[in-house]
Amino acid sequence: SQQGEEDPQALSIQEGENATMNCSYKTSINNLQWYRQNSGRGLVHLILIRSNEREKHSGRLRVTLDTSKKSSSLLITASRAADTASYFCATDRPGTYKYIFGTGTRLKVLA
Amino acid sequence: NAGVTQTPKFQVLKTGQSMTLQCAQDMNHEYMSWYRQDPGMGLRLIHYSVGAGITDQGEVPNGYNVSRSTTEDFPLRLLSAAPSQTSVYFCASSRGQGRDGYTFGSGTRLTVV
Repeated sequence: SQQGEEDPQALSIQEGENATMNCSYKTSINNLQWYRQNSGRGLVHLILIRSNEREKHSGRLRVTLDTSKKSSSLLITASRAADTASYFCATDRPGTYKYIFGTGTRLKVLA
Repeated sequence: NAGVTQTPKFQVLKTGQSMTLQCAQDMNHEYMSWYRQDPGMGLRLIHYSVGAGITDQGEVPNGYNVSRSTTEDFPLRLLSAAPSQTSVYFCASSRGQGRDGYTFGSGTRLTVV
């Protein structure tokens, strides 16, 4: 079963706008990761946030984690056409070595 | 530094045939995993390994076998291909859980007819 569920499933914005996508998960975690996938390509790791962290930044990316709500958000600021991709969250399952991915958010940035 | 290399990139099999999807990494990563990606389903974990000689099942292991005889290689074997195994397969590796993210290969697109 899927551990993480991204919301929305699809998002279309204008270049320069901010894009926010959310991930909800079901069980406790040690860390959560976000990945990007361009069409027809493999996934690229964006950022990892640990369960004792609330916010993390990397360039134009901002990730938040709320373990009480079992949710995370990924904010992409000042979006570009090159940000058009699918974005996935992945969570570990403590006590195992598994990482489980969600179903992804398809982001389209219009030039 | 090649990262994670998957071969072949494309493959068409007939129902009942067997084949091995190859995965190799040159980063000395301990953790390796196989995922399949189907439309609307995201990525689902098939098998994973935390080091040479150690493998375990993921969410959807049926119909697949793996082995990890070396740190570098983690082949995925389809024993008797079925149309339900038509998918894109990704291999990924990392240094360890929680240390950093996975590095993914470019995928193998498999069609079973």
